[in-house]
Amino acid sequence: AQKITQTQPGMFVQEKEAVTLDCTYDTSDPSYGLFWYKQPSSGEMIFLIYQGSYDQQNATEGRYSLNFQKARKSANLVISASQLGDSAMYFCAMREGSDFNKFYFGSGTKLNVKP
Amino acid sequence: EAGVAQSPRYKIIEKRQSVAFWCNPISGHATLYWYQQILGQGPKLLIQFQNNGVVDDSQLPKDRFSAERLKGVDSTLKIQPAKLEDSAVYLCASSLRPPSYEQYFGPGTRLTVT
Repeated sequence: AQKITQTQPGMFVQEKEAVTLDCTYDTSDPSYGLFWYKQPSSGEMIFLIYQGSYDQQNATEGRYSLNFQKARKSANLVISASQLGDSAMYFCAMREGSDFNKFYFGSGTKLNVKP
Repeated sequence: EAGVAQSPRYKIIEKRQSVAFWCNPISGHATLYWYQQILGQGPKLLIQFQNNGVVDDSQLPKDRFSAERLKGVDSTLKIQPAKLEDSAVYLCASSLRPPSYEQYFGPGTRLTVT
């Protein structure tokens, strides 16, 4: 089974609107961490947001928020007020393991922000 | 502070040749990671170091790939001999001691095997 599933290969959003990028994960570990990264066309991976499995509240970082639904094993990224510079690949990732030594990335979602 | 440095940025080799990539992590970061990102896919973790010891290398094809992190700072990843399917971007990342969650990535090395 896939550890991280991102079912949206590509998404379009109008500038200034909000967009949700989907991510589901698979783990039997009670302790794990979930991440979102942005990868612009330049190729560098940029950390956006993190959610720990025991965190009670959804993580937020500026215009990014993570909609964490533990029972459904989903960790969707919400970007509010989209900007043209948000156009990029977005990867969901998970860390698990007794020493947090296992990392898995999804296949990514290509977001295009339209002016 | 300086970011994660990688070199070379681009490399083209023929199959069966060998190649090496270099990574210098952010100063003070104890954990270093090497990822392989094939075009159109997410990164796959190849190996993780904690200081100069290997934490996990379960996805490293050890018959042809090797990595070392001498003195717990710089790291090199080597492929010998290369195959066509090794064409990918090789990303290096570093982080503070576990369980620090934020990994800082370098710009990557794009390898093309012909």
